[in-house]
Amino acid sequence: GENVEQHPSTLSVQEGDSAVIKCTYSDSASNYFPWYKQELGKGPQLIIDIRSNVGEKKDQRIAVTLNKTAKHFSLHITETQPEDSAVYFCAAGSARQLTFGSGTQLTVLP
Amino acid sequence: GAGVSQSPRYKVAKRGQDVALRCDPISGHVSLFWYQQALGQGPEFLTYFQNEAQLDKSGLPSDRFFAERPEGSVSTLKIQRTQQEDSAVYLCASSRPLAESSYNEQFFGPGTRLTVL
Repeated sequence: GENVEQHPSTLSVQEGDSAVIKCTYSDSASNYFPWYKQELGKGPQLIIDIRSNVGEKKDQRIAVTLNKTAKHFSLHITETQPEDSAVYFCAAGSARQLTFGSGTQLTVLP
Repeated sequence: GAGVSQSPRYKVAKRGQDVALRCDPISGHVSLFWYQQALGQGPEFLTYFQNEAQLDKSGLPSDRFFAERPEGSVSTLKIQRTQQEDSAVYLCASSRPLAESSYNEQFFGPGTRLTVL
């Protein structure tokens, strides 16, 4: 089955700086790679996703890159704000089944 | 509220008791997923429904776990003879894929936190 590794587990940045979270996956059949943000006591919320036929996708301050050869993908958040503080999860898989990473606790310091 | 709802939000059970967790997906969403999230970990896939058909139950950890969606809308996750290791947050998600192989956002509910004493 699929195995997803996520790093770092915790990340602190100053407001306005960039944050980068990296994930690797094992199953070359995976073709869908979403990123979720989870706030305390809430369910995960999709922030951006990328499919295997695309190498990069950007949505305002958030961007994701995918390297299928190396089986890794990354989340980039620019101009971080305190409200970006949360746990972020990467996931890999298909429309029917996703395997999640173990999460990154992002703290944006004012 | 047009989001995914789950009930109860919190459940405390004594070891050995049976529990039933409910998920109300977004209206019109044909796909429904159940996940288990242990403290400090990412969600782990349990099972997947397309309408009333349970197409994948490979993630259910034991035969004590059972899920159903008889009318293709509301779903119930049942855990029999609960054990302490069943303590976790159980998340439900729904999506409305346009085609069999299309990728559509999974909308998550707030989860049910199960504590087994």
